[in-house]
Amino acid sequence: DGGITQSPKYLFRKEGQNVTLSCEQNLNHDAMYWYRQDPGQGLRLIYYSQIVNDFQKGDIAEGYSVSREKKESFPLTVTSAQKNPTAFYLCATTRFGYGFYEKLFFGSGTQLSVL
Amino acid sequence: DAKTTQPPSMDCAEGRAANLPCNHSTISGNEYVYWYRQIHSQGPQYIIHGLKNNETNEMASLIITEDRKSSTLILPHATLRDTAVYYCIVGYIFGTGTRLKVLA
Repeated sequence: DGGITQSPKYLFRKEGQNVTLSCEQNLNHDAMYWYRQDPGQGLRLIYYSQIVNDFQKGDIAEGYSVSREKKESFPLTVTSAQKNPTAFYLCATTRFGYGFYEKLFFGSGTQLSVL
Repeated sequence: DAKTTQPPSMDCAEGRAANLPCNHSTISGNEYVYWYRQIHSQGPQYIIHGLKNNETNEMASLIITEDRKSSTLILPHATLRDTAVYYCIVGYIFGTGTRLKVLA
């Protein structure tokens, strides 16, 4: 979607290194989400934020951290504790954040690989 | 765990209707069923959603059973560009979806 920008498109991580994936939105949506996708698999929820300065763990939060200091931005840091970070990472938003009843808008994704 | 189950793959002849089933037997009364599709290495694209009634838009139709435990996405005239992985979701948990291949 044009309103959600993920960068970079490709990212490489060295052993023991933390890397940060950017997600910016201009849709004025309250909620933002990070998903991880492994080859041939569905999307798994890492973290989500329903409002600024608040976020919740998803199903696979270990080895990841996030912040939500601004409504427009929800960066994801892949820490050295994440031993198998190679995956396709997708950021998504919803207009409102409560109730999990809304349409997800997705960015174009970041492919992270380990050197 | 995903709240939905779908067949892993389906084929459809170009120009024919593609009917993609989804089971969601544990759906709650106020949860919507959403359908998305994903072409390789892109973000999923929204198709349609519904609560109780059947829905239709410019892309597809959604048929939901009366007990809401299953639904079917219908692409009325499939084209080669409809080849993708289709996800049926309840809440924000994705399963592995159905890989639809449209054959010329």
